[in-house]
Amino acid sequence: QPVLTQSSSAAASLGSSVKLTCTLSSGHSNYVIAWHQQQPGRAPRYLMQVEPTGSYNRGSGVPDRFSGSSSGADRYLTISNLQSEDEADYYCETWDSNTWVFGGGTKLTVL
Amino acid sequence: EVQLVESGGGLVQPGGSLRLSCAASGVIVSSNYMSWVRQAPGKGLEWVSSAYGGDTTYYADSVRGRFTISRDSSKNTLFLQMNSLRPEDTAVYFCARAKWGYCSTSSCLTSYSYYYMDVWGKGTTVTVSS
Repeated sequence: QPVLTQSSSAAASLGSSVKLTCTLSSGHSNYVIAWHQQQPGRAPRYLMQVEPTGSYNRGSGVPDRFSGSSSGADRYLTISNLQSEDEADYYCETWDSNTWVFGGGTKLTVL
Repeated sequence: EVQLVESGGGLVQPGGSLRLSCAASGVIVSSNYMSWVRQAPGKGLEWVSSAYGGDTTYYADSVRGRFTISRDSSKNTLFLQMNSLRPEDTAVYFCARAKWGYCSTSSCLTSYSYYYMDVWGKGTTVTVSS
């Protein structure tokens, strides 16, 4: 079963860009992952899927400031023109053999 | 628009039971891959259980044998029966719908089908404490 590794925290300034990383464990670099955003005190919200080649599909209503990319076993979420409401926890998720795995989450602070 | 609304959470003593409900609109629960995911206080997301197809169910090792997922088609509702509750089951429990996806050989080394969670409920809080 895959393991997803994320940095525990990240910080970037209002109006700038930030790139969050989710790393798939060895032998699972072919997996598609999904990114979810969880604002403080709220439920998670699906953002997008990211494929091994870097193709991504945003969910309905997700601003185009959010984009995805890939490199090997790494899947990225880039947020451009950071807004205060982007301050949240970001989780990656993948599915394997009818079980789901989540990364530990990255807490993004907007300075 | 798909909406999922959880209910049934509360305070229960260790060893007790609780049944959570997830009322759905805009989606047919019995025809979709439906899941429960929980989040302990200050922690990350943890998959708990899923129901797929007719009677196919899946459980995380941490809850297998204690929790039972089920669906009521007439009410379009997903349930989670939780027995033998432990303090470590304390969490917000989210209901989620999983959507099917397909990665072709143009995007994946080998093509394959997968699922991802695309709709979440707001959650219901379960506290297990004496």
